[in-house]
Amino acid sequence: SQQGEEDPQALSIQEGENATMNCSYKTSINNLQWYRQNSGRGLVHLILIRSNEREKHSGRLRVTLDTSKKSSSLLITASRAADTASYFCATDPLSGGGADGLTFGKGTHLIIQP
Amino acid sequence: DVKVTQSSRYLVKRTGEKVFLECVQDMDHENMFWYRQDPGLGLRLIYFSYDVKMKEKGDIPEGYSVSREKKERFSLILESASTNQTSMYLCASSFRLGVGNQPQHFGDGTRLSIL
Repeated sequence: SQQGEEDPQALSIQEGENATMNCSYKTSINNLQWYRQNSGRGLVHLILIRSNEREKHSGRLRVTLDTSKKSSSLLITASRAADTASYFCATDPLSGGGADGLTFGKGTHLIIQP
Repeated sequence: DVKVTQSSRYLVKRTGEKVFLECVQDMDHENMFWYRQDPGLGLRLIYFSYDVKMKEKGDIPEGYSVSREKKERFSLILESASTNQTSMYLCASSFRLGVGNQPQHFGDGTRLSIL
């Protein structure tokens, strides 16, 4: 069943602005992961944040996790045209044994206007 | 870099045919996964495998089977293709390290059309 839900479904901003996407989920997790998908391609892993972490950075990406609210956010700073893609959050349920697969949301489609 | 290779980018088959989708990874990953991706529904897990000859059903296994005879190869089989199986199919692999799912590495997908 789908657990992660991204918000908004679509986002269009100007190049250079920051983009923020949110993800809400329902059950306890081991970790939460963010992926990017360019049109017609597979998903690419961006960042993993564990349940005992609150914030993580990777280049222009900043991810936060609030386990009490069961939510996460992905911030892309100083956006570029190449950031145009769909972004998915994926949750790793606590009950899983490490090979049960992630549960993906439906994604946020981000468009960066030049 | 990890490479997950799916045998076809585009495939067109007819209703009732038996269809094989192949996936190969080169990173000695224990786990392999098959998803389908449909507009408005996101990614849904069909089957996964955590070892050779092992398989587990995902959320939507009906109408599909899988085969994992070698660690690097995971095949998805549509026993008798139907039009509602027209979709984008994505293969992924990951290490199995302790508790919790590790990052998954995806192939570029196979866009399958069933006529």
